[in-house]
Amino acid sequence: GAVVSQHPSRVICKSGTSVKIECRSLDFQATTMFWYRQFPKQSLMLMATSNEGSKATYEQGVEKDKFLINHASLTLSTLTVTSAHPEDSSFYICSATEGSQPQHFGDGTRLSIL
Amino acid sequence: AQSVTQPDIHITVSEGASLELRCNYSYGATPYLFWYVQSPGQGLQLLLKYFSGDTLVQGIKGFEAEFKRSQSSFNLRKPSVHWSDAAEYFCAVGRAYNTDKLIFGTGTRLQVFP
Repeated sequence: GAVVSQHPSRVICKSGTSVKIECRSLDFQATTMFWYRQFPKQSLMLMATSNEGSKATYEQGVEKDKFLINHASLTLSTLTVTSAHPEDSSFYICSATEGSQPQHFGDGTRLSIL
Repeated sequence: AQSVTQPDIHITVSEGASLELRCNYSYGATPYLFWYVQSPGQGLQLLLKYFSGDTLVQGIKGFEAEFKRSQSSFNLRKPSVHWSDAAEYFCAVGRAYNTDKLIFGTGTRLQVFP
């Protein structure tokens, strides 16, 4: 149980385009979803927390207009990187939790901006 | 300030040897503690967690961890390492009664030699 699916697993696109990453909880209702960013050989840094039906809470230093998060249902959250640039290249990982249960993570999305 | 320290960036062990990965935390409240494992290019898998009760917790894949409040530590152990255990290991801490906002350590990369 507690499977989180993240799509796509890898995306390569040109600078200036927008990229959408989906995070789905497959067998539970995710009251809260989290988006993390991981730089090579570094730890995960929380970008934002989203609760279904409400605006996401962004961590300090994360541009909310750059990283748009939508949590439209209890099983789906999306992260859109708008007008992506090479410095946005990174590994993005989502996680989901139901109530007070531990976070379950997706397999991540490797984003490469050319 | 809340923080998690994993002093060992990289550990190498021989297959069959015992393993201990160190984790120290700084937290103002009663912590929820977690160990996650990450294989290359993938998301995180929960190995074990500690909320309360018995300070020695058992996890998946033969791992265990011991919570020592007096030392602010939550070290991960395995009596006999398998080659498939080679991965990145992250210790994380969250707020009591709420697993929002996990704070991760910088990770320990485990290499296993045959």
